[in-house]
Amino acid sequence: GAVVSQHPSRVICKSGTSVKIECRSLDFQATTMFWYRQFPKQSLMLMATSNEGSKATYEQGVEKDKFLINHASLTLSTLTVTSAHPEDSSFYICSSIEANTGELFFGEGSRLTVL
Amino acid sequence: AQTVTQSQPEMSVQEAETVTLSCTYDTSENNYYLFWYKQPPSRQMILVIRQEAYKQQNATENRFSVNFQKAAKSFSLKISDSQLGDTAMYFCAAGGASHSNYQLIWGAGTKLIIKP
Repeated sequence: GAVVSQHPSRVICKSGTSVKIECRSLDFQATTMFWYRQFPKQSLMLMATSNEGSKATYEQGVEKDKFLINHASLTLSTLTVTSAHPEDSSFYICSSIEANTGELFFGEGSRLTVL
Repeated sequence: AQTVTQSQPEMSVQEAETVTLSCTYDTSENNYYLFWYKQPPSRQMILVIRQEAYKQQNATENRFSVNFQKAAKSFSLKISDSQLGDTAMYFCAAGGASHSNYQLIWGAGTKLIIKP
């Protein structure tokens, strides 16, 4: 099946720094990618929908200046957590639609810990 | 508003037993997809099974099958001959049918524990 790779899998940073998470579709073109946040023992919360070549669409309550999303190519979307704070610590997951089958594939997730 | 409800926070069964996870949903879409995803301790989401709402026949994938009751808006997952590797969080999700409207609404999840 199609593969979505997410990097890094774990990142620890100091408060105030920015962290970039990459999401790559390895063997298909992804015009649309989704970014989720998952709190411990909870379900996925959609943060934003990223479309190649255009601005991301953010869900209500998600700060677009805080969570910068760039989808510059058909195989790569990035999420940058700017000026990270401890409350931004979470598990971030990306997913992408494989256009031929319409199936949604998920990255491995990235655990962010802000000290 | 679209909602997905999983009423069982946690379930536990013995290995080789059959277990059914419940899911109900509410949507205003005429055509939509329903999904069950598995999230093992490794945290990566894995698609278990998918059902297209316009298909009356219940989807099956090896030991996994669904009971799709469209009128009742119910979409339960049955796992037969459960295995230790089935231990995971299971999420039910509903989504639109077009690629431009593929945002999924997620249930809260059911933690399934398979005991040896």
